[in-house]
Amino acid sequence: NAGVTQTPKFQVLKTGQSMTLQCAQDMNHNSMYWYRQDPGMGLRLIYYSASEGTTDKGEVPNGYNVSRLNKREFSLRLESAAPSQTSVYFCASSDGDWLQETQYFGPGTRLLVL
Amino acid sequence: DQQVKQNSPSLSVQEGRISILNCDYTNSMFDYFLWYKKYPAEGPTFLISISSIKDKNEDGRFTVFLNKSAKHLSLHIVPSQPGDSAVYFCAADQTGANSKLTFGKGITLSVRP
Repeated sequence: NAGVTQTPKFQVLKTGQSMTLQCAQDMNHNSMYWYRQDPGMGLRLIYYSASEGTTDKGEVPNGYNVSRLNKREFSLRLESAAPSQTSVYFCASSDGDWLQETQYFGPGTRLLVL
Repeated sequence: DQQVKQNSPSLSVQEGRISILNCDYTNSMFDYFLWYKKYPAEGPTFLISISSIKDKNEDGRFTVFLNKSAKHLSLHIVPSQPGDSAVYFCAADQTGANSKLTFGKGITLSVRP
């Protein structure tokens, strides 16, 4: 039982390049989330998926797209990377029954955009 | 507008003493609160939670206190250990609201041997 896994662990991009961050969970959770963490800013929600087949914007969605490929996988895509997207990205999942849930986080992807 | 506030960015405590980490919130609809712990280069891990129907929840060395009237919660770690040195995030949830957690900015706890 690996929990939440993320790939890659680290990535360097040039401005304008695109990439997809991958996330998978093996806990049979319905809901999945993408956050970014920046110094002094805490964790900010980018997008979330309450259940398979649905996605919604979070606090900071601009410049990102997501795909809920199936119940296990939730990917985050940067179509044209910008230096402002340099950050640490965390994927999380939860049961999704909306009753005082706990979210479980992956190890993170460190992204540097030059 | 920051709905969950951790106003002290850092805290340094001697090993064996009590660590008290504070968190304030502004949204009265929040009814479930969580603390996460984060080591460098790792993802946040769930530590302890409390429902608004309680004012205290204890798990080993960790106790969370909730003061609803003051919209304030605190995490007590007794006794503090060097391995507790990490960033601690307070998070709040509104039951039924798609389980979207609102996080504070975090507090860096350093426990001195």
